[in-house]
Formats: sequence, C-alpha cells, structure tokens
Amino acid sequence: EAQVTQNPRYLITVTGKKLTVTCSQNMNHEYMSWYRQDPGLGLRQIYYSMNVEVTDKGDVPEGYKVSRKEKRNFPLILESPSPNQTSLYFCASSSSGFTEAFFGQGTRLTVV
Amino acid sequence: GENVEQHPSTLSVQEGDSAVIKCTYSDSASNYFPWYKQELGKRPQLIIDIRSNVGEKKDQRIAVTLNKTAKHFSLHITETQPEDSAVYFCAASKYSGGGADGLTFGKGTHLIIQP
Repeated sequence: EAQVTQNPRYLITVTGKKLTVTCSQNMNHEYMSWYRQDPGLGLRQIYYSMNVEVTDKGDVPEGYKVSRKEKRNFPLILESPSPNQTSLYFCASSSSGFTEAFFGQGTRLTVV
Repeated sequence: GENVEQHPSTLSVQEGDSAVIKCTYSDSASNYFPWYKQELGKRPQLIIDIRSNVGEKKDQRIAVTLNKTAKHFSLHITETQPEDSAVYFCAASKYSGGGADGLTFGKGTHLIIQP
C-alpha cells in the first residue's frame, strides 16, 4: 500500500530536549516536505526536499533542521524545542512539486 | 515569497446548495493550484488541482476555476452533502525547469453543511 508514515504520532517533551520526527514514503517520490498546522494559520511549510541531498527552507524554518540522505526518508529535527513549536506536524511526498502531495498521519507535538 | 489569501474562513450552507471558496495569490509565476480537504482529525487529501494553462476543471460535483490575470482561483461544490463538511485548503506552487518550490497554503475554510 502506497503510504507516508510518520513517527511518533504523539509526543510530549520538555523545552530544550532534542527530538526527531521520522517520515518515510514507499512511493519512490523525489519530493518531500514538512508542514506545521496551527489553528487559524493553516498549513505552513517548514522545509522541502527535491531529491536526495537537496533541501531548501520553506516559510517557517527557524528552529528546525532536516536531512535527506535516502530518497524514502526525510526526518525533521528539533535541536532545542521551545513551547512555540507545539503544533501538529505533517510530512508529505509527491513525485514532483507539481503533482498530488500525499500526507502522513500527522504528529502532534507538545513542548512544555 | 508567495502569499495565498483564502475566503471565507467559515462557510455554512444548506444541504443541496452550492458552496464557493475563493483564493488569491500574489506571485504571478505560480502555475499549480491544488485544493485539499481535511476532515476532522485526518490528514489533508487532494480533491482537485489545476495548472495555469487551463481555466477550468471539473470532477463530478467539484470544479475549480482559475483567473490568471486577476490571480485568483475558486472551488465550487454543487449539490452539497453532509460528507462535504470539512476544512478546505487552497494552495499555490511554482514549477520551473529546475524543480518546484513548495506549496503555499491558504488558511483554510471550514465548510459546514446544514441538514
């Protein structure tokens, strides 16, 4: 089954404790991206990647890092999480940035 | 960067009536405009998309229109049904030979279908 898988689904952590949210897709898509969703603000792009070792900042990259060492994986790293990064995070993949994006199930992150 | 404005933020219609959601974008180079539906607690899913070389696209009860001159595009849902209740997001993206930048989303429209 074609899918985008994020882990964990839920995470509560403390300020400053480094964490990684994983994202994996099995569709051989070149394009992957991370979004955060906050009430009243919609979906905002954090980072995107057009292929292995090619990443670029989206609209809200501050406080986040990504890497794309393999085509199927695109982890999101929060080196020192802060409460303003409490949000619902979605990973998405597509064959190109010009075609349907398939979203993961979402990761609800709470930073206390 | 691109800026996408979406209106209204909430739309309530009677079952069977039509619903229209409008979006404007700022970057005239944007050339891909998808619409996503997000049901409560679920992930966004594509319902229809349009590229800048087309003015209108229809899929059963859903249609999207694009006015490149005015830089706006709209989602039209006819004969609304209870299962159409959801949050709808428009988005814009720019693709060139070197690849695509990311999707910029509107803030969403909460569509409520009244029985």
